[in-house]
Amino acid sequence: DIHMTQSPSILSASVGDRVTITCRASQSISAWLAWYQQKPGKAPKLLIYKASTLESGVPSRFSGSGSGTEFTLTISSLQPDDFATYYCQQYDNFFTFGPGTTVDI
Amino acid sequence: EVQMVQSGAEVKKPGESLRISCKGSGYNFSSYWIGWVRQMSGKGLEWMGIIYPADSDARYSPSFQGQVTISADKSINTAFLQWSSLKASDSAMYYCARLSAYCRGSTCSGRFEFWGQGTLVTVSS
Repeated sequence: DIHMTQSPSILSASVGDRVTITCRASQSISAWLAWYQQKPGKAPKLLIYKASTLESGVPSRFSGSGSGTEFTLTISSLQPDDFATYYCQQYDNFFTFGPGTTVDI
Repeated sequence: EVQMVQSGAEVKKPGESLRISCKGSGYNFSSYWIGWVRQMSGKGLEWMGIIYPADSDARYSPSFQGQVTISADKSINTAFLQWSSLKASDSAMYYCARLSAYCRGSTCSGRFEFWGQGTLVTVSS
């Protein structure tokens, strides 16, 4: 099984900050990685897939990079609507979600 | 517009059976895998299983194999997640999602594109 880790688990930030979340896979997954945003009481929302492809309708302040075992999600200028929990998910071999990173004030 | 609409919240007793549903619309229901994801209170996301409605090919996470049954009825564009005997530890929010995915041999790959609103299952005596 492929194991996913994320760091940090909690990130305190302010509006306008540049924010970076790291996701690591226990083995190479090429670029088969997605990122999701989840707000309290809501379903997750797909932000990025294939490590760096922005889902339709997602603001361009979100970007993803990486391949192999290390990946990053970057928010270039944090907006009030971005305070949420972010999950990475590998899909090289079935599916595994990371434990999540909560971005709060 | 693609929509995944789930059935409402359920309160059950341990040992009871339950089936929750997920209706897809706005796309060719038979042609996309549908997945189920568990989220226990305050915890992360866990993939449970996926199903291809065209032929009801179902694949399960090892963690949930034998614990739940996933099915689909393409005539009514609906997927189901079923328990035969609930436990208190099954209490959680359950999400369905349409995937952009493919399966080749014994493995599958894909992303969870469109999510339902979630079904809260509470199991308590």
